[in-house]
Amino acid sequence: KAGVTQTPRYLIKTRGQQVTLSCSPISGHRSVSWYQQTPGQGLQFLFEYFSETQRNKGNFPGRFSGRQFSNSRSEMNVSTLELGDSALYLCASSGGDRAHEQFFGPGTRLTVL
Amino acid sequence: KQEVTQIPAALSVPEGENLVLNCSFTDSAIYNLQWFRQDPGKGLTSLLLIQSSQREQTSGRLNASLDKSSGRSTLYIAASQPGDSATYLCAVRGNFNKFYFGSGTKLNVKP
Repeated sequence: KAGVTQTPRYLIKTRGQQVTLSCSPISGHRSVSWYQQTPGQGLQFLFEYFSETQRNKGNFPGRFSGRQFSNSRSEMNVSTLELGDSALYLCASSGGDRAHEQFFGPGTRLTVL
Repeated sequence: KQEVTQIPAALSVPEGENLVLNCSFTDSAIYNLQWFRQDPGKGLTSLLLIQSSQREQTSGRLNASLDKSSGRSTLYIAASQPGDSATYLCAVRGNFNKFYFGSGTKLNVKP
């Protein structure tokens, strides 16, 4: 099975812009979670989607939003970008016969100038 | 709120040494604990998953143990190799399918 894929791998944006990141889970996985990773804060949970519904949400402002499509692919959107949004954004999928494990994609490196 | 701590933050050892990485968590009501490896700028690779009812899991040179009552897990790496150099993270799965990560231990294995 193909692993979790994320596009794009790298992004450079300027303050005030918005950005959309995409995640395709492992085939058959219905849960997709998003994380932000920074050197100072480590890995922080953003939200989780399961069958097109947001099931969990972390403590991030409303500028961070997401959605999941019927094929389980997920997108994450950040509006009004700030310098502090520069980070590695990781998505993870779970499901199938290993529903208790998370499998991560390679991440999208977002740089906000 | 669940808090996960990993000690030490960094570790440097000569090739061939056996080593132990530590992970502690404050709330023992967990479903499982997962160890990951992360190479610089890359995603996380799952190494081992221990269910809350299990005491340990083994994969090759890796052995992870879990003591839920004391809120601790260890990852034992036998006969370390330079290719083991990476950051190792542990994560616990708590209520409502929420995952909590430690800040990681950065391992450097010197040839």
